[in-house]
Amino acid sequence: GDSVTQMEGPVTLSEEAFLTINCTYTATGYPSLFWYVQYPGEGLQLLLKATKADDKGSNKGFEATYRKETTSFHLEKGSVQVSDSAVYFCALSAPLVFGQGTRLTINP
Amino acid sequence: NAGVMQNPRHLVRRRGQEARLRCSPMKGHSHVYWYRQLPEEGLKFMVYLQKENIIDESGMPKERFSAEFPKEGPSILRIQQVVRGDSAAYFCASSPSRGGSADTQYFGPGTRLTVL
Repeated sequence: GDSVTQMEGPVTLSEEAFLTINCTYTATGYPSLFWYVQYPGEGLQLLLKATKADDKGSNKGFEATYRKETTSFHLEKGSVQVSDSAVYFCALSAPLVFGQGTRLTINP
Repeated sequence: NAGVMQNPRHLVRRRGQEARLRCSPMKGHSHVYWYRQLPEEGLKFMVYLQKENIIDESGMPKERFSAEFPKEGPSILRIQQVVRGDSAAYFCASSPSRGGSADTQYFGPGTRLTVL
């Protein structure tokens, strides 16, 4: 069946560091790919998405490119902030299949 | 436009009791999904419903769990005779249509169920 594998966490970085969270997937067909973010005690919020190969999703300084050849959708941000501390989930459509989540902590 | 509403936010039940979790989708959304998040794990799909129809329940445990989305009112996830292993966060998501895999799902804040 379809599956998503995310980089193991937790990840701890200093403010203004470069962030990469790896995500690879296994799927039949041509799924859409998503990154969701979960802040403590809250539900999931869509961060960005891409619907076909080579699409780049972007939002709030985060980016991810749908790479069909490597079946990947890595999340990147050039300069993280303390407010980016959260759990990040990679997912493919639909019903959504989620990775296990990566807890990110940014220290000032 | 109000977001996806879930209630209660926190629910405590003793073993053997019933738990009812409610989800009101966003206005104009007719598709509802339920997911379960066990501690320190990702979300797992449980069931997908449209008004008065269960479309996909492949993620639902075969016993004790049921879901409905009536013509009027919220979607209900019902867990009978709860056990400690049912303790989790249950999230509802809604989308406006099933037209292709690109539809974004909008999540509620979740109901955190604790079974004593």
